[in-house]
Amino acid sequence: SQQGEEDPQALSIQEGENATMNCSYKTSINNLQWYRQNSGRGLVHLILIRSNEREKHSGRLRVTLDTSKKSSSLLITASRAADTASYFCATDLLIGGGFKTIFGAGTRLFVKA
Amino acid sequence: DAGITQSPRHKVTETGTPVTLRCHQTENHRYMYWYRQDPGHGLRLIHYSYGVKDTDKGEVSDGYSVSRSKTEDFLLTLESATSSQTSVYFCAISAWGGGGTDTQYFGPGTRLTVL
Repeated sequence: SQQGEEDPQALSIQEGENATMNCSYKTSINNLQWYRQNSGRGLVHLILIRSNEREKHSGRLRVTLDTSKKSSSLLITASRAADTASYFCATDLLIGGGFKTIFGAGTRLFVKA
Repeated sequence: DAGITQSPRHKVTETGTPVTLRCHQTENHRYMYWYRQDPGHGLRLIHYSYGVKDTDKGEVSDGYSVSRSKTEDFLLTLESATSSQTSVYFCAISAWGGGGTDTQYFGPGTRLTVL
């Protein structure tokens, strides 16, 4: 299985509700990042959290990182229809003397108006 | 899309033909990447470049080659296309890949169909 795995694979909520997505990983990381992908587009960087940070906020986004459990969560508060997209976690880890970024398979979020 | 273009955006080709995809950036970033995206697999790294003429393999490099003769251009070639290479291909760039703070900026993607 992959280094970063998102859960759930798909999530459907009503506009105004909060959406929570989780990411689990296997090996120690330097950073963890979350990206968003709208249908038919490239990924867009949302937020980066370093391994020595536990929580980070950006607008309606809240990211937590628990290195003891090797997991992260992305919370989108007061969701909007425009938040409908796929969300990917990406782990930055040291491999073979250099850093590599590995992406998970993503969570598809659908926000109903 | 952060000054990144990909061409072509869509291509249909036949098994056994060579195909070249182009990524062009205007950001003067050092690192460039080619990924493929398939359902259930997320993004998988094919090849990446850390400078002009400096490239390295990713996790799914078999059947692909790359070249980077200028900072702004990174070419991905499918030497003899197969149906398993039907996918969406994304190019990405980053200012630096070291230090573990590698925020990447993605192009719009190329949808390739191999018949």
